[in-house]
Amino acid sequence: SQQGEEDPQALSIQEGENATMNCSYKTSINNLQWYRQNSGRGLVHLILIRSNEREKHSGRLRVTLDTSKKSSSLLITASRAADTASYFCATANTGTASKLTFGTGTRLQVTL
Amino acid sequence: GAGVSQTPSNKVTEKGKYVELRCDPISGHTALYWYRQSLGQGPEFLIYFQGTGAADDSGLPNDRFFAVRPEGSVSTLKIQRTERGDSAVYLCASSTPLGLGTGELFFGEGSRLTVL
Repeated sequence: SQQGEEDPQALSIQEGENATMNCSYKTSINNLQWYRQNSGRGLVHLILIRSNEREKHSGRLRVTLDTSKKSSSLLITASRAADTASYFCATANTGTASKLTFGTGTRLQVTL
Repeated sequence: GAGVSQTPSNKVTEKGKYVELRCDPISGHTALYWYRQSLGQGPEFLIYFQGTGAADDSGLPNDRFFAVRPEGSVSTLKIQRTERGDSAVYLCASSTPLGLGTGELFFGEGSRLTVL
């Protein structure tokens, strides 16, 4: 079963714009992670935020976590065509921290 | 190699046949995971190994699916009597031991299984 639901399911923006993706989940978590997947490739880890953190930055990425609303957002600033990919949130749930449960993903298209 | 290696990258088989998919994790990673990803979906957890033992196999859909990791390194996912619904990309990932490192998973490129 899939824990998270991302929205939007698909997002199309122009290069230079910011892209925001949201993730909602259902159970208590230890941490939440975001991954990127280029078409036909494996997933690549982007950033991890722990349950006691509210915001984290890495380069052009900004992640927020609201455990009271069981939601997270991923912001990519100054997007580039190379950011075109699918983005997934994944949660390490309390009590089952040995595995990650992935959401359904947001397909981001960045056009020139 | 430096990353997680999965073979074959593509496998086409007929309904009812037996299939083995192999995963070679990053050296030193004691945790190994198998996920299945259908088109347009997120990865779905199948099984997790810590060392040689399956610590959590709750995601295996039925008894046609089995995975082993006899020496705590390479793992093989075995699917018996394949069905068309088994068609998907099977992803393997490895990580440092639970409680250490960053908690991130390192994924292979996947094995695309097509059952005709």
